[in-house]
Amino acid sequence: KAGVTQTPRYLIKTRGQQVTLSCSPISGHRSVSWYQQTPGQGLQFLFEYFSETQRNKGNFPGRFSGRQFSNSRSEMNVSTLELGDSALYLCASRGLAGGLGEQYFGPGTRLTVT
Amino acid sequence: AQKITQTQPGMFVQEKEAVTLDCTYDTSDPSYGLFWYKQPSSGEMIFLIYQGSYDQQNATEGRYSLNFQKARKSANLVISASQLGDSAMYFCAMREALEGNEKLTFGTGTRLTIIP
Repeated sequence: KAGVTQTPRYLIKTRGQQVTLSCSPISGHRSVSWYQQTPGQGLQFLFEYFSETQRNKGNFPGRFSGRQFSNSRSEMNVSTLELGDSALYLCASRGLAGGLGEQYFGPGTRLTVT
Repeated sequence: AQKITQTQPGMFVQEKEAVTLDCTYDTSDPSYGLFWYKQPSSGEMIFLIYQGSYDQQNATEGRYSLNFQKARKSANLVISASQLGDSAMYFCAMREALEGNEKLTFGTGTRLTIIP
């Protein structure tokens, strides 16, 4: 079974631009969660999508948004990029039986904002 | 107040020795879950072990066990017979459901280095 895939793996953007990251979950998994990891703030939960609906949400500004498609693939969008958005963005998927936390992570997208 | 506290930023352990990574937590949710993840230098997070707040016995998964002391709000990870491949960052995390919003909070991590 293929694991969670994320594209692109690396990205460089300029302040003020917007960016879209993609995540394909493990086949059969309908839940996708997104996390931001920075040296200063550590790992923080962004949001979770299940069956195309946002189910849980962390404490991030509205510039961070996401969506999920009918095939469970998910995209995360960050608008008006700031330098502090530079981070490793991880997505994770889980099956119906697992709760939030019992999930499988992708390799991440490393975003650099200049 | 920190929800998850990992007080050991770094640890060095001799190969084949057992190691305990500390984690304390704080929550008012009576039904919560505790997790440990491993993050090698490649960046991918690897789920290691889970303990539910109502579980009576400590969770075990191969060489990993979770020393759950509910009254002390402690969920330490024990790795037996450490191996060189265990060198990585280790994160403790807690799942809570507050006002219907499920959330996962991570600690700051412990960098474990296994010495040959």
